[in-house]
Amino acid sequence: EVQLLQSGGGSVQPGGSLRLSCEASGFTFRSYALTWVRQAPGKGLEWVSSIGGTGTNTFNADSVKGRFTISRDNSKNTLYLQMNTLRPEDTATYFCAKDRYLNRGGAFDAWGQGTMVTVYS
Amino acid sequence: QSALTQPASVSGSPGQSITISCTGTRNDIGSYSLGSWYQHHPGKAPKLIIYEDTKRPLGVSNRFSASKSGNTASLTISGLQAEDEAAYYCCSYAESHGYIFGTGTTVTVL
Repeated sequence: EVQLLQSGGGSVQPGGSLRLSCEASGFTFRSYALTWVRQAPGKGLEWVSSIGGTGTNTFNADSVKGRFTISRDNSKNTLYLQMNTLRPEDTATYFCAKDRYLNRGGAFDAWGQGTMVTVYS
Repeated sequence: QSALTQPASVSGSPGQSITISCTGTRNDIGSYSLGSWYQHHPGKAPKLIIYEDTKRPLGVSNRFSASKSGNTASLTISGLQAEDEAAYYCCSYAESHGYIFGTGTTVTVL
């Protein structure tokens, strides 16, 4: 069974940093792209960042470019999102998701449970 | 880039069929066969119900079907059931912008 278990998150002041983790099991981790998606309170889903299976290809939403870094450790089956220079508008529930493909595809067929990030001023 | 446009809400009676539209541009929906649809119940993780514009993952009910014409994708739910009440999001790949989700549609079963 595919499982994505998220950790990290919490509350931080504007300008602060947080790191989210997503530990995977039940599939060949290095063979699939992974993605972070967020949902602000009362809002819709927003794509944040994606990384290919090898970890060399990454791409980010304009809203987080230069502030968030996606990475993965294929030896630990773990995906990360390092979030720096956080802003109040980054407040959201963050989900990690597995793609059906090695690289770009956009078919997110397994999701983590979500973790809340609150940036308070 | 702006979100793909979906109706805010759609409703139907049990057993009826409903269709949710998702309008993008030639730079996203219109250019790639990488559209997907997600069902999202509050407090839970989203669930993939359609990928590559029209394909259904294993285990997803065949009451869910999708199509695409030009810059607009559509999701149809046939034989509407109470458990279908949820938010539905479309998503598309867009070169140089990564992925774009739709604004989301709340489905209500009357």
